[in-house]
Amino acid sequence: GAVVSQHPSWVICKSGTSVKIECRSLDFQATTMFWYRQFPKQSLMLMATSNEGSKATYEQGVEKDKFLINHASLTLSTLTVTSAHPEDSSFYICSARRGGGETQYFGPGTRLLVL
Amino acid sequence: AQTVTQSQPEMSVQEAETVTLSCTYDTSESNYYLFWYKQPPSRQMILVIRQEAYKQQNATENRFSVNFQKAAKSFSLKISDSQLGDTAMYFCALVPRKNAGNMLTFGGGTRLMVKP
Repeated sequence: GAVVSQHPSWVICKSGTSVKIECRSLDFQATTMFWYRQFPKQSLMLMATSNEGSKATYEQGVEKDKFLINHASLTLSTLTVTSAHPEDSSFYICSARRGGGETQYFGPGTRLLVL
Repeated sequence: AQTVTQSQPEMSVQEAETVTLSCTYDTSESNYYLFWYKQPPSRQMILVIRQEAYKQQNATENRFSVNFQKAAKSFSLKISDSQLGDTAMYFCALVPRKNAGNMLTFGGGTRLMVKP
């Protein structure tokens, strides 16, 4: 149990376009989902915390209008990178937490390359 | 606020041997959870082991065990009988128990190479 999927696994897009990444908890309901960004050979950097049915909480320095997060159901959260630029190229990872639980289960990540 | 420190950026071990990865942390919380996650070359984050701070008994999962020293705020991971598939980045992480919805605080990671 506790499987989290992400789609797409990798995406290449042109500068100025928007990209949507989906994160799904496949076998449990996730009241809270988290979005991370990871640069090569570095640790994970939390971007935002997403609670089902409410607005996401963004970490300091993360642009809310740039990285739109929606958590419309207990099994799905989406991250939309709007008007993507080459500096947005990175590895994006989501995680999901069962209601009342303490453990985060991670998706396989999405590699984004903006040309 | 919490901090997690992994002082060993890289380590290597021979296959079948034992290796210990260090982790120290700082938190003002009295109760919290500690985790070790593994990130192999595929970059999928995999939960290796977790420890509840109010439990004195060290957690064990097959070849993986921890040495949890609460007073010293230390949480090391021991990998016994190392296998080639253990080659990965290992991240130590902490989350306060008071509000488990709080974010995980990660260490900087230790890159482990298991050599044949």
